[in-house]
Amino acid sequence: QKEVEQNSGPLSVPEGAIASLNCTYSDRGSQSFFWYRQYSGKSPELIMFIYSNGDKEDGRFTAQLNKASQYVSLLIRDSQPSDSATYLCAVTGTASKLTFGTGTRLQVTL
Amino acid sequence: DAGVIQSPRHEVTEMGQEVTLRCKPISGHDYLFWYRQTMMRGLELLIYFNNNVPIDDSGMPEDRFSAKMPNASFSTLKIQPSEPRDSAVYFCASTPGTSGSNEQFFGPGTRLTVL
Repeated sequence: QKEVEQNSGPLSVPEGAIASLNCTYSDRGSQSFFWYRQYSGKSPELIMFIYSNGDKEDGRFTAQLNKASQYVSLLIRDSQPSDSATYLCAVTGTASKLTFGTGTRLQVTL
Repeated sequence: DAGVIQSPRHEVTEMGQEVTLRCKPISGHDYLFWYRQTMMRGLELLIYFNNNVPIDDSGMPEDRFSAKMPNASFSTLKIQPSEPRDSAVYFCASTPGTSGSNEQFFGPGTRLTVL
């Protein structure tokens, strides 16, 4: 079992819709959870991080964490073509070491 | 701030040759990470340093790979001898380590092709 699992996609959503990206992790000791966005040919950039169970909102983005189910998700409201990218889920324990999932490719269609 | 700087941006070499990738972290960042990204395996952590000291090199695939951080502003990742399966994008990232978010800032990457 991979430490961090994501559906590779592509996930296709129409412009203006809500995109829902999901991630599960195996280490119950994981403490911090991150969503990175990576455009093709570019480096990953941080979108959001979350530490506590529940929801965390930042503009059109909402991160959701459920530690009991070892599940973290990212919702993108009012999806735009510029949101088309690969979204990487990452988790960390007490150290600064991140473990990444393989990413979900999102396509926002016109 | 210039961000994390990596060189070269692209490297094409022949099997058996030595390859050296370079990284300059963001000034003041205590942690430096080397990653490898491929389509099949995604983004894999190779090694990371804290205050120039290697902390975890369990991701280094084999003895052909080595990394050094002689000072706070420079790190190298060396592959000797290189093999075609080493072809990938290699990213360097840094973080202050005390930001609370543990946000890692990535460099632009080095695309390595081993023929």
